[in-house]
Amino acid sequence: AQKVTQAQTEISVVEKEDVTLDCVYETRDTTYYLFWYKQPPSGELVFLIRRNSFDEQNEISGRYSWNFQKSTSSFNFTITASQVVDSAVYFCALCTSGTYKYIFGTGTRLKVLA
Amino acid sequence: DAGVIQSPRHEVTEMGQEVTLRCKPISGHNSLFWYRQTMMRGLELLIYFNNNVPIDDSGMPEDRFSAKMPNASFSTLKIQPSEPRDSAVYFCASSSQDRGLRSYNEQFFGPGTRLTVL
Repeated sequence: AQKVTQAQTEISVVEKEDVTLDCVYETRDTTYYLFWYKQPPSGELVFLIRRNSFDEQNEISGRYSWNFQKSTSSFNFTITASQVVDSAVYFCALCTSGTYKYIFGTGTRLKVLA
Repeated sequence: DAGVIQSPRHEVTEMGQEVTLRCKPISGHNSLFWYRQTMMRGLELLIYFNNNVPIDDSGMPEDRFSAKMPNASFSTLKIQPSEPRDSAVYFCASSSQDRGLRSYNEQFFGPGTRLTVL
């Protein structure tokens, strides 16, 4: 069975703090894709990153970084020096080869306080 | 480039009325998805089209829901008759996929339609 767990329902940090959002996934497939999406208060879902199961290299994009570890089935997302504009709900999703379906986590609401 | 376009952005209707939601996917994408988002159930996939053909409609809640994709640039989701429990945000998403190669790219979401059924 495929599953994505985002155990952190809500996180509050003060601006400029670093914050890590956890994502743990379950799948028996060896080929799969992992995604992170951001849903700001305006409501749209914004694609952040896609990673396939054969690429365990960590990725950094500005203040955002992602740590993919197959050994622990985790794909965690870190925001460095958080800003108020980072306040949003963040979703992790899994898509396995052979199916088009995204399995979404329940999301983590991040509140960055000024 | 224009992203996924949805209309209307907001819809308020009364129970029993027909509701039609519209979506224009990103040009060149061959896959289209309709999702529903509620606080209680999160994001649910309703139906998936590939090359304008419905591949999986198992997420459509009941016969009151129907979706069409008459061409590569347009899709509709219709609810008839609508009920208060249909109140939700409905998202359309598109992506390019090669089912033969089992290559599934990221989905790009539209801004959503917030539906309120009174």
